[in-house]
Amino acid sequence: DAGVTQSPTHLIKTRGQQVTLRCSPKSGHDTVSWYQQALGQGPQFIFQYYEEEERQRGNFPDRFSGHQFPNYSSELNVNALLLGDSALYLCASSLAAGVEQYFGPGTRLTVT
Amino acid sequence: RKEVEQDPGPFNVPEGATVAFNCTYSNSASQSFFWYRQDCRKEPKLLMSVYSSGNEDGRFTAQLNRASQYISLLIRDSKLSDSATYLCVVNQAGTALIFGKGTTLSVSS
Repeated sequence: DAGVTQSPTHLIKTRGQQVTLRCSPKSGHDTVSWYQQALGQGPQFIFQYYEEEERQRGNFPDRFSGHQFPNYSSELNVNALLLGDSALYLCASSLAAGVEQYFGPGTRLTVT
Repeated sequence: RKEVEQDPGPFNVPEGATVAFNCTYSNSASQSFFWYRQDCRKEPKLLMSVYSSGNEDGRFTAQLNRASQYISLLIRDSKLSDSATYLCVVNQAGTALIFGKGTTLSVSS
């Protein structure tokens, strides 16, 4: 049973660039949430997608956007990258009616 | 006031010790509660859900006090492999998980 997968594993970008991160949920899950984890902090909620719609959004600027595809996979896009966007980006999947979320291995983004 | 607060530690204990982590949350509308474990540079992994009646899984016991908005995790007979960061997590409506900063545990031989 495949767990949550994310790509790429690591990424280095320059300030002002744009980045796209990808996530495939655990088999049978239909809901994808994205989190940002800065060094020494707990993960912070960015947004959640269900039925290809953004269902809830955390306190992140519009530079952060996302998408969910019919196969439930998801993308996170970040425009106009800032140094402060350097973090581990985690994708979590769940069932719409469930509360337990399972995390992928994350994408480590470094902005220089 | 942060939504979920934890003592960051670090907690340094010898093998075999009993260690307790505490967590408080600010939103009384919180409905679900969890402890996640995170190893260095890895993803958080669900350790256990926390129920008002308390629950136990082997050496791990979790308790929830809704009146005090307080969650705890007790680890008995600590193993070297228990060394990790333990994240207290609450959830309000089946959507966003709200994480504490985590408590770091180091178990030594």
